[in-house]
Amino acid sequence: QVQLQESGPGLVKPSQTLSLTCTVSGGSISSGSYYWSWIRQPAGKGLEWIGRIYTSGSTNYNPSLKSRVTISVDTSKNQFSLKLSSVTAADTAVYYCASSPSSVGPNWFDPWGQGTLVTVSS
Amino acid sequence: AIRMTQSPSSFSASTGDRVTITCRASQGISSYLAWYQQKPGKAPKLLIYAASTLQSGVPSRFSGSGSGTDFTLTISCLQSEDFATYYCQQYYSYPGTFGQGTKVEIK
Repeated sequence: QVQLQESGPGLVKPSQTLSLTCTVSGGSISSGSYYWSWIRQPAGKGLEWIGRIYTSGSTNYNPSLKSRVTISVDTSKNQFSLKLSSVTAADTAVYYCASSPSSVGPNWFDPWGQGTLVTVSS
Repeated sequence: AIRMTQSPSSFSASTGDRVTITCRASQGISSYLAWYQQKPGKAPKLLIYAASTLQSGVPSRFSGSGSGTDFTLTISCLQSEDFATYYCQQYYSYPGTFGQGTKVEIK
């Protein structure tokens, strides 16, 4: 069973870039069976899909965040990463990485990482 | 983006109750709907996909139904471990969107 684990700074200053990494274990990120996504959840609020990447490097992003988001993959490390630029307090949230079955369009998410809280504050 | 609306936002129930949560899409999504359970401080857990297909390992007291714009998640006999927040998610079109959540609390 694939497992995912997020890592990265828990505190980011406003206007800077948020950077997180998701490490995949129990399977190869290059298997071609999955897409790899980032999802976030502000405290006490709902879930927002940020974007996804395939092993080939092909990406899809949420239009609401597209101008600030970059998702990349490092197959040699079995990791994928999120960069979110020009952050504000509104970007404070728990960030999850998750996998979904490979498909042309969006799909459901399973499994998920445990999540990591990122706070934007000076 | 397709808007997903869940009802109710929260409610109280007792163990052994049969409970139903509703999710409505702002446009037709066929059966491209998933349900998740989230407990405090934990990541969401997939319960159901394709509107009615139970994920492996999920107890059979959970069931899903619906297609088009209206969907339901039913828990046939509520257990103590089922008190949580439930989310629906459409994956018919980009971006995949979630409902606002339904919190099931102990009465």
